[in-house]
Amino acid sequence: DGGITQSPKYLFRKEGQNVTLSCEQNLNHDAMYWYRQDPGQGLRLIYYSQIVNDFQKGDIAEGYSVSREKKESFPLTVTSAQKNPTAFYLCASSPGTGFGDAEAFFGQGTRLTVV
Amino acid sequence: AQSVSQHNHHVILSEAASLELGCNYSYGGTVNLFWYVQYPGQHLQLLLKYFSGDPLVKGIKGFEAEFIKSKFSFNLRKPSVQWSDTAEYFCAVNAPGGSYIPTFGRGTSLIVHP
Repeated sequence: DGGITQSPKYLFRKEGQNVTLSCEQNLNHDAMYWYRQDPGQGLRLIYYSQIVNDFQKGDIAEGYSVSREKKESFPLTVTSAQKNPTAFYLCASSPGTGFGDAEAFFGQGTRLTVV
Repeated sequence: AQSVSQHNHHVILSEAASLELGCNYSYGGTVNLFWYVQYPGQHLQLLLKYFSGDPLVKGIKGFEAEFIKSKFSFNLRKPSVQWSDTAEYFCAVNAPGGSYIPTFGRGTSLIVHP
């Protein structure tokens, strides 16, 4: 089945540690996104990538980093510089620029808790 | 920059009541508009979308939305809700000025009592 796979589903991290969230898609989409979902704040864009080896900061990129070495993969690293990392993280993909009428497809999300 | 406003953050209804969720966007040009739904424990999925043509669009599970360009609105409606409609609903816009990056509203949490 085509789709987006995020792993792990739940993640616990100690303060001061970096952690990497995985996102893989087999939809052959060019564009991939990371959003953070907090109660009452909707989905806020962290980073996005419209093509391999290129990515751009979103609205709340501070304390996060990404890479896009393969079309299928867009991992997100939550660094120790992120002041409030406990949240639900969603990865999404879409066909890309030029397909504005196409919807985004989402993974199941990763719930990160800093302890 | 484009933005999306959802007016109702929490809505509680009884089954068979009618539903209307407001959504306004700020972008003057051509837009593509979406409603997504997140059922408890499930991933976000598309409910319906508008990109051109008939401004009244129909989606899954009896939902519909009307695009009113003059009001920059894309309100979601359902004449009679069911308990299974309990979910979080997000309005979103893709616009050329935003490089077609999906921009989401804050979401509306809908609870339907049986």
